[in-house]
Amino acid sequence: EVQLLESGGGLVQPGGSLRLSCSASGFTFGNYAMAWVRQAPGKGLEWVSDISGSGLETYYADSVKGRFTISRDTSKNTLYLQMNSLRGEDTAVYYCAKGQQWLLPRLYFDSWGQGILVTVPS
Amino acid sequence: EIVLTQSPGTLSLSPGERATLSCRTSHSITAYLAWYQQKPGQPPRLLVYGASTRATGIPDRFSGSGSGTDFTLTISRLEPEDFAVYYCQQYGTSLLTFGPGTKLEIK
Repeated sequence: EVQLLESGGGLVQPGGSLRLSCSASGFTFGNYAMAWVRQAPGKGLEWVSDISGSGLETYYADSVKGRFTISRDTSKNTLYLQMNSLRGEDTAVYYCAKGQQWLLPRLYFDSWGQGILVTVPS
Repeated sequence: EIVLTQSPGTLSLSPGERATLSCRTSHSITAYLAWYQQKPGQPPRLLVYGASTRATGIPDRFSGSGSGTDFTLTISRLEPEDFAVYYCQQYGTSLLTFGPGTKLEIK
């Protein structure tokens, strides 16, 4: 069974930084692209970033480009999201999601974590 | 960026009825479209990918159709557990986008 467990969320002041982690199990982590998707309180889903299975290819939403960095450590079966220069509009539940293939682009997400809340007061 | 529009915003139906949810994209994505279901306090669940292929374990009352810019998710006979928010997502480009969602509520 695929399991994705996010950690590292919390309250951070505007302009601050936070690193999210997603621990993966139940599948061969290095064989799949991964992504972060967020959901502001009471709002819809917003894709944030994704990374190929090799870690060599990444894409970002315009809203986070230059501020967020996605990475992965296959030896630890862990996905990361480094978030810098945080703003009020970054407040959301952040989901870790497993892509259906190794390569980018063109991902949909067949497994999701439970999500972790990041709060940035505005 | 490809913009997705979902209609209606809210759909009020009774168990046993048929639900038809629409998703339109601003540019053609051939069949690179997925549908998700989300219940309160839960992560999304993949229902359909490739516009019409049901994901593993999804009941056959869920069906997807369409191509190009117009897509439909149909739930043939609503069960009580089907009342939720439904999102479409395009993956035809490297910048992925979701629709705003359709809330399916009990009438």
